[in-house]
Amino acid sequence: DGGITQSPKYLFRKEGQNVTLSCEQNLNHDAMYWYRQDPGQGLRLIYYSQIVNDFQKGDIAEGYSVSREKKESFPLTVTSAQKNPTAFYLCASSLDSGQSRHQPQHFGDGTRLSIL
Amino acid sequence: KQEVTQIPAALSVPEGENLVLNCSFTDSAIYNLQWFRQDPGKGLTSLLLIQSSQREQTSGRLNASLDKSSGRSTLYIAASQPGDSATYLCAVRSAAGNKLTFGGGTRVLVKP
Repeated sequence: DGGITQSPKYLFRKEGQNVTLSCEQNLNHDAMYWYRQDPGQGLRLIYYSQIVNDFQKGDIAEGYSVSREKKESFPLTVTSAQKNPTAFYLCASSLDSGQSRHQPQHFGDGTRLSIL
Repeated sequence: KQEVTQIPAALSVPEGENLVLNCSFTDSAIYNLQWFRQDPGKGLTSLLLIQSSQREQTSGRLNASLDKSSGRSTLYIAASQPGDSATYLCAVRSAAGNKLTFGGGTRVLVKP
């Protein structure tokens, strides 16, 4: 079955530590996205990538970094510069290229990050 | 800057009653609007996507309408069931830029 896999499901970070969240998709989608969700709130965009080796900052990119070396993979690193990292992180993908911008976004099951 | 609002933030109804969920957005220049369902601790499941040129979309008991000029969408869920209890989020894809802007969601409880 095609889908989006996020790992780990739960992650704990120590002070001053960088942690990386994994997101893999086998849907052959061009675009991938990272969102952050805080309790009782909607999603906010951190970074997105429309094509391999290219990505753009979203609304809350400070303290985060990404890479897109392969079409299937879009890992997110939460750096020590992110002072309030505790949240639910969601990865999404969509078939977005050229005229295909009307396609829906599909989501993984999320990673919950907490501070030790 | 696009802003999306969902009111009410929470809703509780008895089983069998119809649900009406509202979503409003400030910039009418959109590609599409998407409704999602989120269960506690889970990711988002896409329910319906309405293109900017469409007025409504239907899937089973779900019907979503779009009035782009007034910046509103409504999700109707007919004959609600306890299994419909979840948070429902709407998201707008703006014509300027290639990203979704989400509302804060409406948390729904259907009581048996």
